[in-house]
Amino acid sequence: AQKITQTQPGMFVQEKEAVTLDCTYDTSDPSYGLFWYKQPSSGEMIFLIYQGSYDQQNATEGRYSLNFQKARKSANLVISASQLGDSAMYFCAMREGPRNSGYELNFGKGTSLLVTP
Amino acid sequence: DTAVSQTPKYLVTQMGNDKSIKCEQNLGHDTMYWYKQDSKKFLKIMFSYNNKELIINETVPNRFSPKSPDKAHLNLHINSLELGDSAVYFCASSPTGTGYEQYFGPGTRLTVT
Repeated sequence: AQKITQTQPGMFVQEKEAVTLDCTYDTSDPSYGLFWYKQPSSGEMIFLIYQGSYDQQNATEGRYSLNFQKARKSANLVISASQLGDSAMYFCAMREGPRNSGYELNFGKGTSLLVTP
Repeated sequence: DTAVSQTPKYLVTQMGNDKSIKCEQNLGHDTMYWYKQDSKKFLKIMFSYNNKELIINETVPNRFSPKSPDKAHLNLHINSLELGDSAVYFCASSPTGTGYEQYFGPGTRLTVT
């Protein structure tokens, strides 16, 4: 079963607007971490933001914030004030605790974001 | 200084050949990984090594074998390459634990003809 679901294959946003990329996850482990990575057309994987399952507050990193709703098992990425350079593929990923994994990341299928002028 | 490096960046080879991809990290991490990204951009874990021990091995054909000569290196050897092996292969590393990001290498684009 898919552990990470990203329902938006592609998204458009106008420059300077905010955009939300959706991510839902499935785990029975009480200890887990949620991550967002950006993959531009050049191909490298760039870490954006992390949220731990026990964190009380939503994570923020500059223009990136993670809207963590634990009961709904969602971890949406919000990008404020979009820039042209934000155009890329965005991946949501989860790492579960040691009982269920070797700490590998389980990735969603990604959302392709295009920022337009 | 490059944190996680992979060589080569591009690899074009014929079916049936054997090839290796090298990975090195200079971050002092104790866990390293290999991921495969297919043509639809889906990333899937192949192997994970923690302190030189293989701790997970997904349903990957046994033609793929990870080799870790030391904690800083995790190489991927592929025997009898098939067309379906064409993909981008990423090496990554992290400290052990749920709360640590994984640092990815630049990827190796493998094309099997």
